[in-house]
Amino acid sequence: DVQLTQSPSTLSASIGDRVTMTCRASHNILTWVAWYQQKPGKAPKLLIYKASTLQVGVPSRFTGSGSETEFTLTISSLQPDDFATYYCQQYSGYWTFGQGTKVEI
Amino acid sequence: QIQLQLSGPRLVKPSQTLSLTCVISGDSVSSYSAAWNWIRQSPSRGLEWLGRTYYRSKWHFDYAESVKSRITINPDTSENHVSLHLNSVTPEDTAVYYCARDFEVSGYFDYWGQGTLVTVSS
Repeated sequence: DVQLTQSPSTLSASIGDRVTMTCRASHNILTWVAWYQQKPGKAPKLLIYKASTLQVGVPSRFTGSGSETEFTLTISSLQPDDFATYYCQQYSGYWTFGQGTKVEI
Repeated sequence: QIQLQLSGPRLVKPSQTLSLTCVISGDSVSSYSAAWNWIRQSPSRGLEWLGRTYYRSKWHFDYAESVKSRITINPDTSENHVSLHLNSVTPEDTAVYYCARDFEVSGYFDYWGQGTLVTVSS
């Protein structure tokens, strides 16, 4: 199985900050990565797929990049609604998720 | 608007079978452009994909190795739902369970059910 390692596990930030988090894969997964946002008690919400394609309805302040084994999710200007946990997911083989990055104040 | 509604017992005894149903509205369980997945989340295991089914002239099933010997996913076209059965459960199977759609069997999940916490305890 492909293992995904996210860093940092917790990220402290303020409104308006540019925030970047990383997802590293144990094998080359090309661009078969998706990113999700999850708030407490809610299901994950798809933000980005194929490493950099924004899902319909997701604000453009979210940007995904990367390929092969290293991927990043950037929030260009953090908004109050963005405080949540973010997960990467690979779909190169059977599906696995990273352990998450929690964005907090 | 696609909605996935989960139902089923919230408490299951060890060694018994965990059964959940995901009722699909706004799409079809036998759609040629979707796959229907079960995913769970627990503090110890994180988000874990369990299995999926999809219809392409016949029904296809894929299961995670970690649960392959214990899991069954059943689609029901008359009720437009998909069910999960996980037998011989232990407290390790305590988790929030989700169903999720994978559009065009692409590998990522664009619609999720609300999640239901299932506790395995005597």
